[in-house]
Amino acid sequence: DAKTTQPPSMDCAEGRAANLPCNHSTISGNEYVYWYRQIHSQGPQYIIHGLKNNETNEMASLIITEDRKSSTLILPHATLRDTAVYYCIVPGGGTSYGKLTFGQGTILTVHP
Amino acid sequence: EAGVAQSPRYKIIEKRQSVAFWCNPISGHATLYWYQQILGQGPKLLIQFQNNGVVDDSQLPKDRFSAERLKGVDSTLKIQPAKLEDSAVYLCASSSSGWAAFFGQGTRLTVV
Repeated sequence: DAKTTQPPSMDCAEGRAANLPCNHSTISGNEYVYWYRQIHSQGPQYIIHGLKNNETNEMASLIITEDRKSSTLILPHATLRDTAVYYCIVPGGGTSYGKLTFGQGTILTVHP
Repeated sequence: EAGVAQSPRYKIIEKRQSVAFWCNPISGHATLYWYQQILGQGPKLLIQFQNNGVVDDSQLPKDRFSAERLKGVDSTLKIQPAKLEDSAVYLCASSSSGWAAFFGQGTRLTVV
């Protein structure tokens, strides 16, 4: 599995954009980047994924650099309910096909 | 669409006792995961099923943990005998393709 590196914590003001970075310098050409979040006392929630193009859905946008070694999850207008742990995951290929491995993630705190 | 159902939500047992958790995935989802999440850590994959076959169980403590997926639908995870360090939230997830998995609420196990 490609290893991912995320900052342990970030703060964001309510209503502002939250930009969560992730480094995945060992990613291979056919590996996707997935983002999940986990709100306190709930199971993880899928947010978005991408391969090389930028992606957007109703929850967030995903910006992947051209060399694919890093990505940024953007919550355009953060609310207090977006306070959660955010996980960036690059599922493995080959013998570890389809393995969702969670790291420590980034604790995002949205404050009023 | 109904989500992933897990039961029970909470369980308290004494060490050396046995316990079983049940998961009903989203209808039609071929992939089913069991994760263990210890307080303050990210979820750790215990076992992954594709239909009723095991894809990955490399982190399942097989001397005490077992899991099965009946007819490629429901799944049970069993611990026998339980140890204090098994206290955790056990999460079940399912997916239809790729790694966009949907998680249940989890079962919080306390071993005393």
